[in-house]
Amino acid sequence: SQTIHQWPATLVQPVGSPLSLECTVEGTSNPNLYWYRQAAGRGLQLLFYSVGIGQISSEVPQNLSASRPQDRQFILSSKKLLLSDSGFYLCAWSVAGDAQFFGPGTRLTVL
Amino acid sequence: EDQVTQSPEALRLQEGESSSLNCSYTVSGLRGLFWYRQDPGKGPEFLFTLYSAGEEKEKERLKATLTKKESFLHITAPKPEDSATYLCAVQVSGYALNFGKGTSLLVTP
Repeated sequence: SQTIHQWPATLVQPVGSPLSLECTVEGTSNPNLYWYRQAAGRGLQLLFYSVGIGQISSEVPQNLSASRPQDRQFILSSKKLLLSDSGFYLCAWSVAGDAQFFGPGTRLTVL
Repeated sequence: EDQVTQSPEALRLQEGESSSLNCSYTVSGLRGLFWYRQDPGKGPEFLFTLYSAGEEKEKERLKATLTKKESFLHITAPKPEDSATYLCAVQVSGYALNFGKGTSLLVTP
């Protein structure tokens, strides 16, 4: 069966510091991978998605970037965090355009 | 602009009191509508995918239906463990899902 991991689970970072969140998927090959952010009182917002190694599509302009160095690894990064980057970050995978399955999430607080 | 609206924002039910959650959408060319359940501090858990008007899916006490403008998630005889936020999302093109803000359901004993 497929499993998706995210780490860390929680993170508190100062404004201006760098960020690296990691997501890995087990039990499937060549998945589509996604990064979402969920802010308080708002719906899930798609940040990036990837259909293959090195292929990244950005949905909204922002202070973040994503990379996919391996088939089942997806990384979300920032060089300098802003207060507005705080939120619950979720990684998800799917087979092509089918249902998306989410990881446990990372709670990021920027102070 | 594509929109997904869920109602009510919050719902409190007594155990055993059946009800429905609504997801209305204004999109051009719906490819799929998805329902998820999210517990506090956790990632959303996939429940159903609906593709065309008239389609229905069931899982335990939950039943999802789809029309051309909205979807309903019917909860029959809910239990306290059904308490969660229920999210609806639509897929129009490509791979992106457009989520509503969710309905927070509380079922009391």
